[in-house]
Amino acid sequence: DAGVTQSPTHLIKTRGQQVTLRCSPKSGHDTVSWYQQALGQGPQFIFQYYEEEERQRGNFPDRFSGHQFPNYSSELNVNALLLGDSALYLCASRQPGEDEQYFGPGTRLTVT
Amino acid sequence: RKEVEQDPGPFNVPEGATVAFNCTYSNSASQSFFWYRQDCRKEPKLLMSVYSSGNEDGRFTAQLNRASQYISLLIRDSKLSDSATYLCVVNPSGGSQGNLIFGKGTKLSVKP
Repeated sequence: DAGVTQSPTHLIKTRGQQVTLRCSPKSGHDTVSWYQQALGQGPQFIFQYYEEEERQRGNFPDRFSGHQFPNYSSELNVNALLLGDSALYLCASRQPGEDEQYFGPGTRLTVT
Repeated sequence: RKEVEQDPGPFNVPEGATVAFNCTYSNSASQSFFWYRQDCRKEPKLLMSVYSSGNEDGRFTAQLNRASQYISLLIRDSKLSDSATYLCVVNPSGGSQGNLIFGKGTKLSVKP
């Protein structure tokens, strides 16, 4: 049983560019959340998707957007990249009715 | 006041030692609580959920004090493999609705 998977593993982009990160949840999980983890910090909640809709959003600008597909997989899009967007982007999924979230290996984004 | 605060660390302990991590949270209505461990440049992995009655999993014991808004994790008989960053995590809403709020983490280094 595959866990949460994310792609790509690493990415280097230039300021002003746009990026799309992808996540496939664990089998049987229907809710996907995205987090940003800067170096030396705990992960920060970006948003959560359920039934293909954004359910909750953290304190992130509109440059951060997402999507969830009918198969529960999800994308995170970031427009107009800033140097400060350099971080580890983590996707987490959970089962219906369960509290625990399980994380994928993350995508390390470097903006130069 | 930060939403989730942890001991700053780092904790450097010898093998076999007992080590305790503490955490406080600001939202008294918070519903669910967890400890995650994170190895260097890896994703957070769920260590254990924390219940009001306290819970134990082998060498690990977690306690929750709702009145004091305080969570603890005790590791007995530390192993080299316990070296990691331990993240205190709170779900303000509980259930499948909420996002997770992470502390900055406390780094543990177990030495031979």
